[in-house]
Amino acid sequence: NAGVTQTPKFRVLKTGQSMTLLCAQDMNHEYMYWYRQDPGMGLRLIHYSVGEGTTAKGEVPDGYNVSRLKKQNFLLGLESAAPSQTSVYFCASRHTGRPQPQHFGDGTRLSIL
Amino acid sequence: GESVGLHLPTLSVQEGDNSIINCAYSNSASDYFIWYKQESGKGPQFIIDIRSNMDKRQGQRVTVLLNKTVKHLSLQIAATQPGDSAVYFCAEDHSGGGADGLTFGKGTHLIIQP
Repeated sequence: NAGVTQTPKFRVLKTGQSMTLLCAQDMNHEYMYWYRQDPGMGLRLIHYSVGEGTTAKGEVPDGYNVSRLKKQNFLLGLESAAPSQTSVYFCASRHTGRPQPQHFGDGTRLSIL
Repeated sequence: GESVGLHLPTLSVQEGDNSIINCAYSNSASDYFIWYKQESGKGPQFIIDIRSNMDKRQGQRVTVLLNKTVKHLSLQIAATQPGDSAVYFCAEDHSGGGADGLTFGKGTHLIIQP
């Protein structure tokens, strides 16, 4: 029972490089999310998606793009990485409807040099 | 915007004692609350939730209390074990089930002393 799987687990980039973080969930959830977690800041929402082909901005969307081409996958892209994007990135998913918890992956630790 | 905060960044308790982790929220419209546990190197793990029409909910060794009058949420862990060492986050939902409604607190680090 995999739940939410994130790849890669670790990555080091140079300033200006691009990369894509992959999130996959096998729970048939409609909603998916990308968060970043920084020391002392808690979890902050970057982008989210309410279904295949739809995305929306969260609290801190600048410098990131996302795509949801398939229901089970949610991609987070950094077009030109900056040191301020050094963080731990978490993906989450949940069903629609009445309020319910989001289920999280184990994160991608990204360092931008 | 609204905020969800924790009263203490670190809480140290003796193994076997009960732990109480507190959380204050500011949005009166919030109607759903969740507690998460995050172990080192892992993602947040759901522990227990509560809706605003309740003031108490119990799980296995955990109890969540909600006081809407003072906008306060607490997580009680009974007979704390070494495996309970983690950072605990509260989160509130003010969207009534909408997609983007969760706001997270900064977390409390629970340390279990042997």
